[in-house]
Amino acid sequence: SAVISQKPSRDICQRGTSLTIQCQVDSQVTMMFWYRQQPGQSLTLIATANQGSEATYESGFVIDKFPISRPNLTFSTLTVSNMSPEDSSIYLCSVEAFRTSGTEQYFGPGTRLTVT
Amino acid sequence: KQEVTQIPAALSVPEGENLVLNCSFTDSAIYNLQWFRQDPGKGLTSLLLIQSSQREQTSGRLNASLDKSSGRSTLYIAASQPGDSATYLCAVQKTTDSWGKLQFGAGTQVVVTP
Repeated sequence: SAVISQKPSRDICQRGTSLTIQCQVDSQVTMMFWYRQQPGQSLTLIATANQGSEATYESGFVIDKFPISRPNLTFSTLTVSNMSPEDSSIYLCSVEAFRTSGTEQYFGPGTRLTVT
Repeated sequence: KQEVTQIPAALSVPEGENLVLNCSFTDSAIYNLQWFRQDPGKGLTSLLLIQSSQREQTSGRLNASLDKSSGRSTLYIAASQPGDSATYLCAVQKTTDSWGKLQFGAGTQVVVTP
């Protein structure tokens, strides 16, 4: 399994500011994924981050709002830019691990963001 | 577009009873299905992974079945305990081209009372 840590675990931010969330994995992985979980909702994929290339964003998410960095095979950051209260969510990073039983996804503990 | 539905949305049982959680998906062309547990305000813990070629997976008190043709998976938790209280999420990965693109259900919130 993969052990994933995220920083910060939670934050309260003011409207119009930006927050960068860090994700660290204990092993090298090709792809890292960023998800959003809005209050009372399930998880939605924001983007896929590959090392050495630009992130691939899902429909409804754009780079200007959610810039992502992937400087190496164990680390990624997600920035939530120009925040509004609608950005209040839990943001989670995840990775895939290839096991004999198949490809399994592991998630970090999440970053709980509240925008006031 | 793949849609994943979980029924019921919430479930409360006394300790010791068996739990049955249902997950359905509209597109049977899946690569795998994964069950997760989420505690309040926390991240996800992977419980079981079922490949599309498999019919079930077991881990301790947990058993998950998969009927791909009918688009259904069921998670059974035997002899429930208060520590099983959490939200349970199922997620499907559609094809081998969709690495990491999990489609999640809305979850079943479980409360096990002592």
